[in-house]
Amino acid sequence: RKEVEQDPGPFNVPEGATVAFNCTYSNSASQSFFWYRQDCRKEPKLLMSVYSSGNEDGRFTAQLNRASQYISLLIRDSKLSDSATYLCVVNQAGTALIFGKGTTLSVSS
Amino acid sequence: DAGVIQSPRHEVTEMGQEVTLRCKPISGHNSLFWYRQTMMRGLELLIYFNNNVPIDDSGMPEDRFSAKMPNASFSTLKIQPSEPRDSAVYFCASSLSYRLQPQHFGDGTRLSIL
Repeated sequence: RKEVEQDPGPFNVPEGATVAFNCTYSNSASQSFFWYRQDCRKEPKLLMSVYSSGNEDGRFTAQLNRASQYISLLIRDSKLSDSATYLCVVNQAGTALIFGKGTTLSVSS
Repeated sequence: DAGVIQSPRHEVTEMGQEVTLRCKPISGHNSLFWYRQTMMRGLELLIYFNNNVPIDDSGMPEDRFSAKMPNASFSTLKIQPSEPRDSAVYFCASSLSYRLQPQHFGDGTRLSIL
């Protein structure tokens, strides 16, 4: 089993739609969780951290389910500018971050 | 605020040549990471340093790859000799700590080996 797994997509949605991505991780000792966004031909950029109680940043909501070892990202009211690849990132104590291969989102008008 | 600075942005060279990629981390960050990204393999961690000391280089593909961090503000990734399969985007990232902290990436170096 891969350490961090994501559905590669692509997810094709119209503007205004709500879309959700899931990510599973294999190591139950994982302690930190993040979502990164990567635009085509650009570097990955931190979108948001994921906290145990769940957290929201504008149209973006991140959830963590430790029992099932998955993380989710919900995007409400999708914009054209949300089109990108979303990378799930997990960290275990004493090691560097582990990146998933990403889920591609395409928002169309 | 200055982010992670990488150079060059693009490099095209012939196989067999030595390639040197450079990175300046964010000031105050103690950890530095080198990644390689391709369509097939995604983002791969090659090596990372903490306080200028290499912590884990298990991702370095082979002896042709080497990385150094002579001081807190500079690191290099060298490929010698280069091969066409080394063509990729190479990212450098830095963080306050490699433990549990998010990383901030540079713009990357697009490397093409002919």
